[in-house]
Amino acid sequence: DAGVTQSPTHLIKTRGQHVTLRCSPISGHKSVSWYQQVLGQGPQFIFQYYEKEERGRGNFPDRFSARQFPNYSSELNVNALLLGDSALYLCASSLALARGLTGELFFGEGSRLTVL
Amino acid sequence: GENVEQHPSTLSVQEGDSAVIKCTYSDSASNYFPWYKQELGKRPQLIIDIRSNVGEKKDQRIAVTLNKTAKHFSLHITETQPEDSAVYFCAASPMFSGGYNKLIFGAGTRLAVHP
Repeated sequence: DAGVTQSPTHLIKTRGQHVTLRCSPISGHKSVSWYQQVLGQGPQFIFQYYEKEERGRGNFPDRFSARQFPNYSSELNVNALLLGDSALYLCASSLALARGLTGELFFGEGSRLTVL
Repeated sequence: GENVEQHPSTLSVQEGDSAVIKCTYSDSASNYFPWYKQELGKRPQLIIDIRSNVGEKKDQRIAVTLNKTAKHFSLHITETQPEDSAVYFCAASPMFSGGYNKLIFGAGTRLAVHP
């Protein structure tokens, strides 16, 4: 089975531009989460989607948005890019969760965004 | 707010020695504590996890302990090998219903195992 796949793997943008990152979860996984990992730091939670609904949002500005499609793939959009948005953007998927329990997250290889 | 502190930030050991990484968390509602290993340029990969109803879990050379009262959890690697060299992240997840599974990560520990 394929793992979590993300595209593009690398991209370079300039300040003020917009970027769309894409993620396909492991087959059968209905939950997709997005994390930002700045060099030398741990991943930071941006969004979680479950069954196409936003279930959680981290402390990120409204320039960051996401959605999940009927096939459970997801897009992360970032508008008006800033230099500080340069990071590795990780997508993770997990199986449907029982009430009150957290499932294992499987991460993709990430999309490395450089903002010049 | 939610926070996970991880120590040390760097750890250097000789092959065959043990390595211990410690984390503390702030949210008492946390009930799931995974550890991830991330090699340079690679994805974080789960190596072991523990839930709040268990105090200790072991998988071959790797063990994790949890003290919910003190809000501490630790990763123990025995008989370290050069291939254990990587950055290790601890994380904590609060208990929420409705399919919510946000992880709060520590800042990471760079482990170097010298032959």
